[in-house]
Amino acid sequence: EAGVVQSPRYKIIEKKQPVAFWCNPISGHNTLYWYRQNLGQGPELLIRYENEEAVDDSQLPKDRFSAERLKGVDSTLKIQPAELGDSAVYLCASSLGGLAGGRLQETQYFGPGTRLLVL
Amino acid sequence: DAKTTQPTSMDCAEGRAANLPCNHSTISGNEYVYWYRQIHSQGPQYIIHGLKNNETNEMASLIITEDRKSSTLILPHATLRDTAVYYCIVDRGSTLGRLYFGRGTQLTVWP
Repeated sequence: EAGVVQSPRYKIIEKKQPVAFWCNPISGHNTLYWYRQNLGQGPELLIRYENEEAVDDSQLPKDRFSAERLKGVDSTLKIQPAELGDSAVYLCASSLGGLAGGRLQETQYFGPGTRLLVL
Repeated sequence: DAKTTQPTSMDCAEGRAANLPCNHSTISGNEYVYWYRQIHSQGPQYIIHGLKNNETNEMASLIITEDRKSSTLILPHATLRDTAVYYCIVDRGSTLGRLYFGRGTQLTVWP
């Protein structure tokens, strides 16, 4: 079974330029997450989708970040314009979603991430 | 969500058991303990989770104290490929779906 696929793996851009990251979750997974991981830190959630609906985007800097999940499958995260402080690894994860035994299935499966460097 | 405390780093000899501790003294009754690990340049990988009882799978064992204020992840026979950052997370499993990763424990397995 294929895991979470992300592209590109690496991206170098100059500040003020736009950049986009793409994620294809595990087939059948309804929930999709975007995380940002700064050097030496654990991942931090940016946005969570249930199918095509963004149900938690409270941590997404909406002045420059945007995301979409058309048709409830693939997702794109965009930054426009990028700033120096946006240099980080951007991780996509997916989970089954739905309830099992009365509890939301939260085991998340992560992609390899996109390493962004803003110069 | 309750927060966790883990040692910054640990070492282990190859072939020996690696015991990674985690304190979660403010855990509430409906919060699960999850463990993930992150090998260098890869995304985090799910290892195991539990609520009250000890759990074991093909990767590891999870021992949760009776008062649930701490837990230990056990890798019974550590290999060089187990070198990674290990994250202990408590999660309500609610609709929030937000995992709070701290800095984790850097486990280094030596040959």
